[in-house]
Amino acid sequence: SQQGEEDPQALSIQEGENATMNCSYKTSINNLQWYRQNSGRGLVHLILIRSNEREKHSGRLRVTLDTSKKSSSLLITASRAADTASYFCATDGRGSGGSNYKLTFGKGTLLTVNP
Amino acid sequence: GAVVSQHPSRVICKSGTSVKIECRSLDFQATTMFWYRQFPKQSLMLMATSNEGSKATYEQGVEKDKFLINHASLTLSTLTVTSAHPEDSSFYICSVGSGNTIYFGEGSWLTVV
Repeated sequence: SQQGEEDPQALSIQEGENATMNCSYKTSINNLQWYRQNSGRGLVHLILIRSNEREKHSGRLRVTLDTSKKSSSLLITASRAADTASYFCATDGRGSGGSNYKLTFGKGTLLTVNP
Repeated sequence: GAVVSQHPSRVICKSGTSVKIECRSLDFQATTMFWYRQFPKQSLMLMATSNEGSKATYEQGVEKDKFLINHASLTLSTLTVTSAHPEDSSFYICSVGSGNTIYFGEGSWLTVV
């Protein structure tokens, strides 16, 4: 399956700053999800945005989706050292054989928030 | 509590041996489960779709004879890495979908020495 691209691949910021990560994908989707992964650990689901939605908020997270450009962004506001992790976007849908449960992951962004 | 449980969380095995990883759906029956692999500092790649009562569907480039998947019940799928080699060392993680949610296991670290 094809993978999306995230940029930047790595991002280092100071605590309190905002972090923006972008994701692009290649096929039509049903949903796009963002996940967080701490080093050596499993995945934590952050937020899901449907293909008919353009923006979604959850706490300090803001996700946008532009299906015409096949891209999404994740904004973390007022970052904390505890936000240090890898962040992945994942899509489902037509590029996943039509299954909503079969995900294609982007390459991920490693976010480092310095105290 | 966990909805999907994986076991073991970490395993070290000798080159040439086989290792079995279990993925259990604790709260609901799952006719389909998904297995992903993640090499260090890389993303997750789908390996195969585990189908209860039938053969797994493997992604392109994944050797079905090397990565044996058994989904004999509605709550358990197993991934067996046969004749493991150091290049099989990776993080293996399973997922199950229910309703509008995808649940991931905690993952299993495999180190082949």
